Amino acid sequence: ETGVTQTPRHLVMGMTNKKSLKCEQHLGHNAMYWYKQSAKKPLELMFVYNFKEQTENNSVPSRFSPECPNSSHLFLHLHTLQPEDSALYLCASSQEWLDTDTQYFGPGTRLTVL
Amino acid sequence: QKEVEQNSGPLSVPEGAIASLNCTYSDRGSQSFFWYRQYSGKSPELIMFIYSNGDKEDGRFTAQLNKASQYVSLLIRDSQPSDSATYLCAVNSNGNKLVFGAGTILRVKS
Repeated sequence: ETGVTQTPRHLVMGMTNKKSLKCEQHLGHNAMYWYKQSAKKPLELMFVYNFKEQTENNSVPSRFSPECPNSSHLFLHLHTLQPEDSALYLCASSQEWLDTDTQYFGPGTRLTVL
Repeated sequence: QKEVEQNSGPLSVPEGAIASLNCTYSDRGSQSFFWYRQYSGKSPELIMFIYSNGDKEDGRFTAQLNKASQYVSLLIRDSQPSDSATYLCAVNSNGNKLVFGAGTILRVKS
């Protein structure tokens, strides 16, 4: 596998379910990100991990819980979500969390909350 | 005021023409500017980045940056139908955060 991979690609869940999104990067990067992309809205940064440490939480509700066990893997744990949380969730990685570092995106997980 | 603004489009150009995509940003401290292309149902992919005022060319693509006017643009020469996509402007703000515009839809008609 190359680049940034995400699983699952599609997820449908009820509001009482608990699920997790997985992201893996094969680029040797040290920074990883979660973004939310809703229809006709800009990408919204959710979380940043740099060298496994969370460096940014962009006022994300606690029903979203990130986990970064190592520099190559990033999870987003979901519980008691709301229908308005339905969106495309994108993982990205970059060499480090620097303003000049290019971020590379995974294919995304299309989440539908019923 | 939105941090990064783009005209949502759609911008329609005939095949072979030059497509001009524009972006303005509000953070005067921004130093890094990126253009991503996103096909429908796909994830964003990097086209170009630019850090210095002026033009930067890469094949059919030219990025132009004017920090004094807080303006960055992307020119696509010899536009092809395969260029039809949403183009996202991204700007670093508040330090290392990357802030995205909502994107401009480009349609290249053959």
